[in-house]
Amino acid sequence: AQSVTQLDSHVSVSEGTPVLLRCNYSSSYSPSLFWYVQHPNKGLQLLLKYTSAATLVKGINGFEAEFKKSETSFHLTKPSAHMSDAAEYFCAHPFSGGYNKLIFGAGTRLAVHP
Amino acid sequence: EAQVTQNPRYLITVTGKKLTVTCSQNMNHEYMSWYRQDPGLGLRQIYYSMNVEVTDKGDVPEGYKVSRKEKRNFPLILESPSPNQTSLYFCASRGRTGRDGYTFGSGTRLTVV
Repeated sequence: AQSVTQLDSHVSVSEGTPVLLRCNYSSSYSPSLFWYVQHPNKGLQLLLKYTSAATLVKGINGFEAEFKKSETSFHLTKPSAHMSDAAEYFCAHPFSGGYNKLIFGAGTRLAVHP
Repeated sequence: EAQVTQNPRYLITVTGKKLTVTCSQNMNHEYMSWYRQDPGLGLRQIYYSMNVEVTDKGDVPEGYKVSRKEKRNFPLILESPSPNQTSLYFCASRGRTGRDGYTFGSGTRLTVV
């Protein structure tokens, strides 16, 4: 069965330190993968996407993610956390190779401390 | 501005009282969808629509109805809400290929007492 696993439900970092949010997927299809961010009381905003082009993908606000097929991973990173990065982050991929449904991970809540 | 607009943002209702959450998009997208978000479960799809008058069930359709009479609108209907439908609801739309991801609305927080 297809699934998306976000390995940490909560991550806490200090401002200015690196961020790593981990995502593993399970799919028999060559996947597209997405990272979304949800700030408090806001909708989901697309951070970045992988669609079978370059394996290192750059997104908005300094985030990037690397697709590693051998590890079935798509981890999200940022070199230096900012207070405004505090939010919930969701990894997702399309179900069965199509785009009628996105399969989401359970989410990772990122806290950034001064 | 390209956007998906949901209303209301917050709603408290009583068990059994029919309600409708509206969703509208201004991007001329054919595809629209409803998700619910619950703690620890991420987002789960309720219904989706490929085009006007074409709808299909997602993973958790029980207790919900949808309609797609116009391309821009995709309302979610709860005929007889129950407390287990207390959740955060998101409407989303996407372009023809889907490779650019979905655009989500700001969400509707529903509480059923």
